[in-house]
This record gives sequence, C-alpha cells and structure tokens, in this order.
Amino acid sequence: GENVEQHPSTLSVQEGDSAVIKCTYSDSASNYFPWYKQELGKGPQLIIDIRSNVGEKKDQRIAVTLNKTAKHFSLHITETQPEDSAVYFCAASDLGGGADGLTFGKGTHLIIQP
Amino acid sequence: SQTIHQWPATLVQPVGSPLSLECTVEGTSNPNLYWYRQAAGRGLQLLFYSVGIGQISSEVPQNLSASRPQDRQFILSSKKLLLSDSGFYLCAWAYRVSTDTQYFGPGTRLTVL
Repeated sequence: GENVEQHPSTLSVQEGDSAVIKCTYSDSASNYFPWYKQELGKGPQLIIDIRSNVGEKKDQRIAVTLNKTAKHFSLHITETQPEDSAVYFCAASDLGGGADGLTFGKGTHLIIQP
Repeated sequence: SQTIHQWPATLVQPVGSPLSLECTVEGTSNPNLYWYRQAAGRGLQLLFYSVGIGQISSEVPQNLSASRPQDRQFILSSKKLLLSDSGFYLCAWAYRVSTDTQYFGPGTRLTVL
C-alpha cells in the first residue's frame, strides 16, 4: 500500500518569511496530492491540491510542486502571517484506486513567530 | 453547497460506557463517508469507510463499529469504551466518483475517564 512521509514535524519561521513542507510517497500509481490545514480543535480543511498531470499549482500565497520521477511534492507558503500557524497534512491517492482514498502524512506543526 | 455536521462536539464518558457519534452530510447524494481518529499528536488514522447504505469497510480491528443507516448518515459506535478510545474523531465525505478529495467535519473530542 501507499506510504507518505512528511517533513519536518515542526517548523518555526519568522512572520513574513517563507515556509516549505515536503512529502514523499511510495506508490508510483498515486496521481492526486492534496494539502490540508488543521487549526486547533477543528477539522482539517483542504487548502490546495495537485494532480499528476501538472508540476506546479499556485493560489495566492500558497503553491504546491510535484516531482513524479522522485515521488515527492512540497507545499510552499510565502509571506507567512500569524494566521498561517496550524498543522498541515499532505496526502496521496490513486484516483479510481478504491474508496479508501487518501493516505496521509503525519503532519507538520507550522509556527509563525511574530 | 455541501456541509458536514458532527455531534456532539465534545463528550466525556466513563470507561465501559457505550458510545454513539453521528455524522450527517447535506447537499450531496451517494457520498463516500469516512471515520478517522486523531490521537495525541497529529496523525489521522482511518477507522471505517462506506460507499453506500449498509456497506462498511473496517481498516483497523478495534473496539469500535460503524453503521450507515441512511445515505448521508454515518454513525460510530462502541458497546464498551476503553481509555485508549480517547481522541479527536473526524468524519469526512467525498464524491462517489471522479475525485478522492475528502471534506472533513468539525470533529468530536472524546475523553474516556
């Protein structure tokens, strides 16, 4: 089955700096890679996703890059703000591979220092 | 638009008591439904998923069970809670076809004493 590794487990950056979170996956059949943001005491919320037919996707201050050859993908947050502080999860899936769906990384606690 | 509800939001139960957590989805039909547990720390553990009424797949053998009595209702149950059942329980839904994007509910914080 799929295995997703996520690094780092904790990331502290100064407000205004950039943050990068990296994930690797094991199943070459995986073709869908979402990122979720979880604030304290709340459910995870989808913030961006990418499919294997593109290498990069941007949405304002966040972007995701995908390297299918190396089987890794990354979340980039620029101009970080205090409200970016949260736990971020990456995930991978083989679309159409079954209803059990996503395999999640263990999460990264992003701390934005004022 | 679609919305997902979970209740209760918080629950404190004694060891050995029963459990029933409910999840309902509005605004879509025939969704895939999921139950996850998030224990101390951050990982998401898939417990059960369902592709239709009465159809339940278990990912982890344990003290819990799930049922789907209606198309947009998913219930997580236990006959006798253990201390190790404490955690944050999340329900999620996904469209039946074309995407694996999962949308999560607000969660239930369960504390077993």
